Amino acid sequence: QVHLVQSGAEVKRPGASVKVSCKASGDTINTYYMHWVRQAPGQGLEWMGLLSPTYENATYAEKFQGRVTMTGDTSSTTGYMELRSLTSEDTAIYYCAGASDQRFDYWGQGSLITVTS
Amino acid sequence: DIVMTQTPLSSPVTLGLPASMSCRSNQSLLHRNGNTYLSWLQQRPGQPPRLLIYKISNRFSGVPDRFSGSGAETDFTLKISRVEAEDVGVYYCMQATEFPRTFGQGTRLEIK
Repeated sequence: QVHLVQSGAEVKRPGASVKVSCKASGDTINTYYMHWVRQAPGQGLEWMGLLSPTYENATYAEKFQGRVTMTGDTSSTTGYMELRSLTSEDTAIYYCAGASDQRFDYWGQGSLITVTS
Repeated sequence: DIVMTQTPLSSPVTLGLPASMSCRSNQSLLHRNGNTYLSWLQQRPGQPPRLLIYKISNRFSGVPDRFSGSGAETDFTLKISRVEAEDVGVYYCMQATEFPRTFGQGTRLEIK
């Protein structure tokens, strides 16, 4: 069993950056990839990218290339997703998900990021 | 990118009766390793998504056996044998055969 706990809601101004954290715990946490998925209000799910179990390698969706960075701290088993140059279209709930064998087994509770002037 | 299309977008059902929904991809989801990485996720109102089914037909831990998945290549189906009130929400199919991972637009299950 894996448990993912995310950082809280934030309000940001257009042009700012946000860094969302995802604390992972569980027996086999070091075998899971950490994916990030977002969901705009009333909309569907959008994949942003993933971080390897060792937090050393990241793969990003082309849409977010150059604007997103995913990192992690092995000592605290916490992953981070930083998104820069925010616009109102980035207003969404951001989820981390722990994945094994190409399936998204476990999900964080979500972090609501609101971008408003 | 692989496009996932779900039908119907909304499905009103009667408690205790079966429900079914479809997901279609615009290219085969068969991976070169022989696996087909098609999953179904359930999102109850106000909750994060939850994994129900992976690799077409495998139920994830703790998922009731009234949920079943089937299909191959580009056409997939999720069935609920007898709908319960707790099944209300949006169901998403997702492919993990190729990057980027992509999701269907969701089927909203509601009670009549």
